[in-house]
Formats: sequence, C-alpha cells, structure tokens
Amino acid sequence: SQQGEEDPQALSIQEGENATMNCSYKTSINNLQWYRQNSGRGLVHLILIRSNEREKHSGRLRVTLDTSKKSSSLLITASRAADTASYFCATDAWNTDKLIFGTGTRLQVFP
Amino acid sequence: NAGVTQTPKFQVLKTGQSMTLQCAQDMNHNSMYWYRQDPGMGLRLIYYSASEGTTDKGEVPNGYNVSRLNKREFSLRLESAAPSQTSVYFCASIGTRGEKLFFGSGTQLSVL
Repeated sequence: SQQGEEDPQALSIQEGENATMNCSYKTSINNLQWYRQNSGRGLVHLILIRSNEREKHSGRLRVTLDTSKKSSSLLITASRAADTASYFCATDAWNTDKLIFGTGTRLQVFP
Repeated sequence: NAGVTQTPKFQVLKTGQSMTLQCAQDMNHNSMYWYRQDPGMGLRLIYYSASEGTTDKGEVPNGYNVSRLNKREFSLRLESAAPSQTSVYFCASIGTRGEKLFFGSGTQLSVL
C-alpha cells in the first residue's frame, strides 16, 4: 500500500474559492513534498516542508505539517481554472532515500 | 542542460517480450527512481538507487529489474512483459534529501 493517502479523492469548486486537500502518511519522515500533475503530463514540484517545520507558504499555496498526526494539508487560496489538476504528496521515510507518493486528489476548478 | 532523459517515449510489447527502459540525468544527482502510474492513479515506486552501485526495492518491484550503471544512468528491465505492466513509467532523480525530484517525460508502455 502507498505511504500517503490523500483526501478527498476528488474536489470540485468555483473559481475564487479555496481548495484544501489532505495527506496522511504511515512512517516518520524527513520531508514532505507536494506536486501537481496536469492530465497526462509530468509532475511539477510545488513546495517542500521539512519534518521540523510546521507551516510554509509559497504564493497562493499554504502547507501545514503535523508530525504527531502524520498528516499534511495543502491549501490553495483564490483558486483559478488553471489550478485544475491532480495533486500528490510525496514523503521520504526517515533516514532513507525512499520517496513514496500518495494516491492524489483530483481538483476541478470551474470558471 | 537536458535534465532527466528517458527513452523510449512509447513502446508496445507482446506478452512475454522483454525490454529495457533507459534513463539518464546530467545533474550529478545521487539518487534515482523508477515509478509507474496507472490511469487515474498515483505514482508507485518500483525501485530506487540512493547512490551508484546500490539499488533497493520500492512498493511494486515484482517483474522488474534495475541497474545503476554509473552515476548518470539507471535502467529498468522487464524480463517477461505482462499486460498488468501496461502503464506510464517515470524516471526521476534528486540531488540529496530535502530537494525536489526532477522527472523525465515518461514512457507509455502497452503490453498486449
């Protein structure tokens, strides 16, 4: 089974609304990353948060990490139709280079 | 600077045939990875190599072999292809822990 489980599996919102997706993982980690994938294309790195960080911002993105609950959330504020994509979290198990992806959230933003 | 180069981009195999997917990076990265992505699913780790000369199993290693030929190259071999191996395969590399992954453009493999 995959290290990261994301919810919701799918999310539909209107432009301008905020989108929140969550990632839970099973083992202690070094870092957690979020990636975006447009349909049928490669993955684009969004943001990385280290295990000793609790929150990080990048433009309209806000990521939180709760290592006690083994979970992270990605918030996209003021969403745009161009944000329509699948979003994946990726974690590397503590003290290893093994990088595992979550199951992903499919986000649809309607104009 | 080419980044991560994967070949081929497309391949069709018959059940039982073998093939090798090639991956090379020119960023002097230590770690390299092979993932597969089935339609509508996330990426699943097949094998990874933390450094030249080492390889480790990922989540779904059965039916695959890998070779870290040198620091630049990491190949994935299907010895006897099965329809269940129909997928898009991504190679990726990373310089060190705490950095982002760089991805190749993917190989779309169909096994008939």
